[in-house]
Amino acid sequence: RKEVEQDPGPFNVPEGATVAFNCTYSNSASQSFFWYRQDCRKEPKLLMSVYSSGNEDGRFTAQLNRASQYISLLIRDSKLSDSATYLCVVSDYNQGGKLIFGQGTELSVKP
Amino acid sequence: GAVVSQHPSWVICKSGTSVKIECRSLDFQATTMFWYRQFPKQSLMLMATSNEGSKATYEQGVEKDKFLINHASLTLSTLTVTSAHPEDSSFYICSAREKHRAGQPQHFGDGTRLSIL
Repeated sequence: RKEVEQDPGPFNVPEGATVAFNCTYSNSASQSFFWYRQDCRKEPKLLMSVYSSGNEDGRFTAQLNRASQYISLLIRDSKLSDSATYLCVVSDYNQGGKLIFGQGTELSVKP
Repeated sequence: GAVVSQHPSWVICKSGTSVKIECRSLDFQATTMFWYRQFPKQSLMLMATSNEGSKATYEQGVEKDKFLINHASLTLSTLTVTSAHPEDSSFYICSAREKHRAGQPQHFGDGTRLSIL
């Protein structure tokens, strides 16, 4: 079983749609959780950290459920510029803080 | 914000050549740098963790004699792909973590696209 698993995708949605990404992780000792965005042939860029209480940044909302080891990302009113691959990332201090990446879910927003 | 510079961004060379990739933290001290590799349509895979002043820690299946890592200062880590072959062609990305910020997001370099002919 992979340490971090995401929806396989790709997701093709029209502009303005709401889209949700799901992610599960296997290491219950993980302490830090992030969503990164990666554009084609570019490096990953941090989208947002994910906190137990849930957090929102504009159109983006992230949720964490430690009991079920589940992380989600919701994008509202999607824009063409949201098209990218979204990476669920988990980190464990006990492993030197290295990041474990999910395989990514590709999002394509169409006009 | 914190910036990580990676150089070169693109390398094309013949089989058997050794290629050195540099990763620099420009405005912060990075006691730890990470080297990743990403094949097309796949996620980033951690290759090794580089700690300033000590030997790198390699992930299982990564040959330390083939991928030489040096982290001689708090702002620079290098990855040398020795005697590169076509199967080493990939996107190599480094990331750096600020001192005493183990739980914080890492900052990524722009990546190096390596093509071995």
